[in-house]
Amino acid sequence: GAVVSQHPSWVICKSGTSVKIECRSLDFQATTMFWYRQFPKQSLMLMATSNEGSKATYEQGVEKDKFLINHASLTLSTLTVTSAHPEDSSFYICSARQEQNEKLFFGSGTQLSVL
Amino acid sequence: QKEVEQDPGPLSVPEGAIVSLNCTYSNSAFQYFMWYRQYSRKGPELLMYTYSSGNKEDGRFTAQVDKSSKYISLFIRDSQPSDSATYLCAMSGAAGNKLTFGGGTRVLVKP
Repeated sequence: GAVVSQHPSWVICKSGTSVKIECRSLDFQATTMFWYRQFPKQSLMLMATSNEGSKATYEQGVEKDKFLINHASLTLSTLTVTSAHPEDSSFYICSARQEQNEKLFFGSGTQLSVL
Repeated sequence: QKEVEQDPGPLSVPEGAIVSLNCTYSNSAFQYFMWYRQYSRKGPELLMYTYSSGNKEDGRFTAQVDKSSKYISLFIRDSQPSDSATYLCAMSGAAGNKLTFGGGTRVLVKP
């Protein structure tokens, strides 16, 4: 299957700082990428849809100024958690869609811990 | 009622047994169906992909889609302890739509 690389795999930061997470599709181009959040023993919660060259579409209840998404190229999307607080601590996962067949491939996830 | 229903488990089976997983859904527009396996603190891994109705087999895995009943299944033959994970079903309608996920079923394969 196709490969989606996500970095970093884990990050610890102080409250009030910003954290950037990168998501790259390594062997295919992805016009559309998705960002999810997952709490322990729960399913994936879609945060936003990232579209190359245009603004991201955020799900209801997700603060767009808090979670900045940039999708500047067909292989890279970034999620920046701005002014992180302990309640932002979570497992964040990106995915990229292979457009010829609608298959969705996931990154390995990023565990964010805000102290 | 959720759009996609999936029993959370846990489903515990002895090694070598067949694991049977399923999801039901309410949106008749769904036509792309996927099964993912997720290990703890890892991203989901695509196991099976089916477009519209029918069966698909890949090694020890068999996926079935019954659109008339709005029911999809995943079977794992000769289960191994390494199959212990959470299995998520996912589906979408027209091309370009976001995926709708089931809540996931936790599977434990005991040696």
